[in-house]
Amino acid sequence: QSVLTQPPSVSGAPGQRVTISCTGSSSNIGARYDVHWYQQFPGTAPKLLIYRNSNRPSGVPDRFSGSKSGTSASLAITGLQAEDEADYYCQSYDSSLSALFGGGTKLTVL
Amino acid sequence: QVQLQESGPGLVRPSETLSLTCTVSGASITTTTYYWGWIRQPPGKGLEWIGTIYYSGSTYFNPSLKSRISMSVDTSKNHFSLRLDSVTAADTAVYYCASLTFYYYNMDVWGQGTTVAVSS
Repeated sequence: QSVLTQPPSVSGAPGQRVTISCTGSSSNIGARYDVHWYQQFPGTAPKLLIYRNSNRPSGVPDRFSGSKSGTSASLAITGLQAEDEADYYCQSYDSSLSALFGGGTKLTVL
Repeated sequence: QVQLQESGPGLVRPSETLSLTCTVSGASITTTTYYWGWIRQPPGKGLEWIGTIYYSGSTYFNPSLKSRISMSVDTSKNHFSLRLDSVTAADTAVYYCASLTFYYYNMDVWGQGTTVAVSS
């Protein structure tokens, strides 16, 4: 059971917009600790997608965006493409510097 | 550009100790801008943070694994290591090392991962 809660799966057609939620608590996200997002393709290491709630590392398309409010955060993907089909994980932390992951969300492009 | 590479045995017997090393290139392990961490992923499951170490030796461990973990830094070899004691089949996973930025605690660089199976 993950401390951060994500939907197990989401889906969308090419060109559509999808969002993935990440719900925490007052001990982590709600305590103003940052949320980060990772993208993982089968058989490969995760890749940083969004850091510090809404910032994109160099090379990440602006179709990916992140937001945070209260005890939750969201990842939005606009203009969905077939190559976006992957697993997505949110990550935050707490006052003891324990890193916390969501359970992961599998994105299917229909 | 920071690069990380895990190394260690791919098979560990039950009740024995799993030992992995992560070699850092492109940066000094004594940099003040990074923590160094271990994350694992059991087959077909999600990511689980194992622990984090700072170059000074300060460590932060997953409470569920804390009694079985130790981590260390070797500045002369620019690598850091993980030891997990008394392993069981539940410890079978892909083990990743990663750099965590000091200010935001995000994992910005990951190793390719190494598969460890626990089996007799």
